[in-house]
Amino acid sequence: DAKTTQPPSMDCAEGRAANLPCNHSTISGNEYVYWYRQIHSQGPQYIIHGLKNNETNEMASLIITEDRKSSTLILPHATLRDTAVYYCIVSDLSTGANNLFFGTGTRLTVIP
Amino acid sequence: DTEVTQTPKHLVMGMTNKKSLKCEQHMGHRAMYWYKQKAKKPPELMFVYSYEKLSINESVPSRFSPECPNSSLLNLHLHALQPEDSALYLCASSQGGARGEKLFFGSGTQLSVL
Repeated sequence: DAKTTQPPSMDCAEGRAANLPCNHSTISGNEYVYWYRQIHSQGPQYIIHGLKNNETNEMASLIITEDRKSSTLILPHATLRDTAVYYCIVSDLSTGANNLFFGTGTRLTVIP
Repeated sequence: DTEVTQTPKHLVMGMTNKKSLKCEQHMGHRAMYWYKQKAKKPPELMFVYSYEKLSINESVPSRFSPECPNSSLLNLHLHALQPEDSALYLCASSQGGARGEKLFFGSGTQLSVL
């Protein structure tokens, strides 16, 4: 039940900001926007999530548009270790458990 | 302790074998999940346990049998698998009740069915 659209791949120069877009035009009022990343053959790693307001933590910033139909994950200073597949997910809370249905994600390659 | 531990890391089994995957967390989380991930594909949700009760089964074949013996443990029993079941099996946990909570994932079990 993927509800998001992301570009399949992006490149970013090392040290520059990486801006990863996500469209979620059918998001409902109770759904959060989550970002996870997965480095080759490891488990997905939580990055950040938000409901309406922009969020920032030690890893990244999340910018959500006012209509909540799209968002952007910003990695302020990309390093080679940020090369991974980045998943934008909207959560479905209707079942009472916090389920995450993954879309196809964006493969980010950080170039030296 | 913010870890979800999965064992074994790698498993090779024949189609007639019975094996089990194990997942453990000590964060006091009350929701636990199994995902399956084929190569170059996103993870797909299989099962969700909430407070040790199965709350979601995403139409998974009966050759996969989940079990949640207590709030810290989640097992996935495997029997009569097919080669197409070869995949990375991921376990995750979350607090289990609050909106906006996040999932913590283990590093997975890479399963090969011969």
